[in-house]
Amino acid sequence: EVQLVESGGGLVQPGGSLRLSCAASGFTFSSNWMAWVRQAPGKGLEWVAKLNEDGSEKYYVDSVKGRFTISRDNAKNSLYLQMNSLRAEDTAVYYCARDVDRSFDYWGQGTLVTVSS
Amino acid sequence: DVVMTQSPLSLPVTLGQPASISCRSSQSLVYSDGNTYLSWFQQRPGQSPRRLIYKVSNRDSGVPDRFSGSGSGTDFTLKISRVEAEDVGVYYCMQGPGFTFGPGTKVDIK
Repeated sequence: EVQLVESGGGLVQPGGSLRLSCAASGFTFSSNWMAWVRQAPGKGLEWVAKLNEDGSEKYYVDSVKGRFTISRDNAKNSLYLQMNSLRAEDTAVYYCARDVDRSFDYWGQGTLVTVSS
Repeated sequence: DVVMTQSPLSLPVTLGQPASISCRSSQSLVYSDGNTYLSWFQQRPGQSPRRLIYKVSNRDSGVPDRFSGSGSGTDFTLKISRVEAEDVGVYYCMQGPGFTFGPGTKVDIK
């Protein structure tokens, strides 16, 4: 069974940093593109970042370029999102998702990031 | 950038009756490889999104056959043949490979 479990969310002040993690199991992690998708409170879904199987290709939504970094550790079956210079508008539930054939077939339960003073 | 729109944004439905959600893209979603990467997701209250349909009309494993997807080019539709109580939630379309989502359609019971 495919499982994606996010962790690392919490309350952080504007300008601060946070690192999210996603532990994957039930599939060959190193053979899949992975992504982060977020959802602000009461709002819709927004893709944030994605990377390829070995982490050599990374793509970001414009609003997080230069502030967020997606990475992975295939030996640990883990996906990460390093978030720096956080803003109030980054407040959201962040989901880890498996990217297969230009779509997201499995999602984690999400981790809440709140940026507030 | 591709912009996705959905209509209606709110859809009250009667149990056992059909429902239909429209999704339109600002440009054709036919990719260079000939495929059309349009997906549909369901998000029940308090839950993570769940994919229902990929590449316009392919239903995911475990998805009831009352859900169906259709369309081409820039116009797509998700249909529920007979709405059940468990279908309440928000439905999103999404285009790949840019991963742009529609605004969502909230389905609830009349």
